[in-house]
Amino acid sequence: SYVLTQPPSVSVAPGQTARITCGGNNIGSKTVHWYQQKPGQAPVLVVYADSDRPSGIPERFSGSNSGNTATLAISRVEAGDEADYYCQVWDDSSDHPGVVFGGGTKLTVL
Amino acid sequence: QVQLQESGPGLVKPSETLSLTCTVSGGSISTYYWSWIRQPPGKGLEWIGYIYYSGTNNYNPSLKSRVTISVDTSKNQFSLRLSSVTAADTAVYYCARGATRYFYMDVWGKGTTVTVSS
Repeated sequence: SYVLTQPPSVSVAPGQTARITCGGNNIGSKTVHWYQQKPGQAPVLVVYADSDRPSGIPERFSGSNSGNTATLAISRVEAGDEADYYCQVWDDSSDHPGVVFGGGTKLTVL
Repeated sequence: QVQLQESGPGLVKPSETLSLTCTVSGGSISTYYWSWIRQPPGKGLEWIGYIYYSGTNNYNPSLKSRVTISVDTSKNQFSLRLSSVTAADTAVYYCARGATRYFYMDVWGKGTTVTVSS
């Protein structure tokens, strides 16, 4: 089955840019989505289809995807961005297509 | 605005069947995929499976032998049954709406905690 690898944690100072990676074999050929999850809350979609933002998501959230790495970038980081972030793809490369999530990255705002 | 609400028992005994229902309000269950996702305490997200409003479904291979997802379009609901549960099935269970293109999940329920214990 397809595996998505995320760093367990990323730390960034307020006002800086946070970059959270999601690695996968030739992930650039897939479409990547990103979710933000704050403690005790359900996940929220922040980027879909590699780089599109749902309505209501600030422009500070952006995504890219190429080669073996997809990246979620959060510019001008605020304390309220502290959360767990998950990448997700639809994997149709095996006999059992389905949804795959990365292991998640905890973003800490210093 | 579409909203999802999970409901069902919060405590299930080992070896029994976990049953949850997700009620869709503010929109029709027709069109879209409807998924169940779970999150064990302190861990990441795990996709359980989805159903299309027409009844077509797809399950995580690791759970496929124990999972059934069904839909009731007349009630705007879809349901999850997970059989032969163990403590490893203790988790927060979320229902979510999946887009028909690219399959991202854009609307989530608040989640319901299910504990497997005797």
